[in-house]
Amino acid sequence: DTEVTQTPKHLVMGMTNKKSLKCEQHMGHRAMYWYKQKAKKPPELMFVYSYEKLSINESVPSRFSPECPNSSLLNLHLHALQPEDSALYLCASSQEVAARPKNIQYFGAGTRLSVL
Amino acid sequence: TQLLEQSPQFLSIQEGENLTVYCNSSSVFSSLQWYRQEPGEGPVLLVTVVTGGEVKKLKRLTFQFGDARKDSSLHITAAQPGDTGLYLCAGARWGNKLVFGAGTILRVKS
Repeated sequence: DTEVTQTPKHLVMGMTNKKSLKCEQHMGHRAMYWYKQKAKKPPELMFVYSYEKLSINESVPSRFSPECPNSSLLNLHLHALQPEDSALYLCASSQEVAARPKNIQYFGAGTRLSVL
Repeated sequence: TQLLEQSPQFLSIQEGENLTVYCNSSSVFSSLQWYRQEPGEGPVLLVTVVTGGEVKKLKRLTFQFGDARKDSSLHITAAQPGDTGLYLCAGARWGNKLVFGAGTILRVKS
């Protein structure tokens, strides 16, 4: 089983709203990732959590706030977003960050976010 | 700086034709993944290549990792409309994040 589950599948929010994206995996993976993807472009890394600690923040604006409550869950809290933040947000997980093949990443289906 | 050059960017072919997608880099990768993504969905892992010179086959798809672990190719034989999608190569650096190619949008017409 290589399933990463993301909810919701679609989200529409205004620029003053606060919302959260959720990601869950039960593969025992200890590394989890958030990516942002624009149409027909590759995913862009936002954050990496390793053993529930934030290990990489790719200079993401503070209006995006990640949280890893436990080893199976990853959240992305959204506040005061801009229309240009509209994109597909992907969660991924891997056994670990380093050491092949444990760094193979498996992706969820994504959340399609529209900011009005 | 794009560390992984993927080509072609777009490919539109007839059903039954063959095609090859290339990913090239001046950097060495510990492994390289190929993903396929359909609109509105997440990337689905097709294969991981780890050893230089490795060749893996997945039905009509053949994946190759260069001897120096700097490049890879995906060859599809007798393409089907169901092969349509965005193909992404992604290289793993030691102890670090994935480096994605720009992607190849493949359209197979029936």
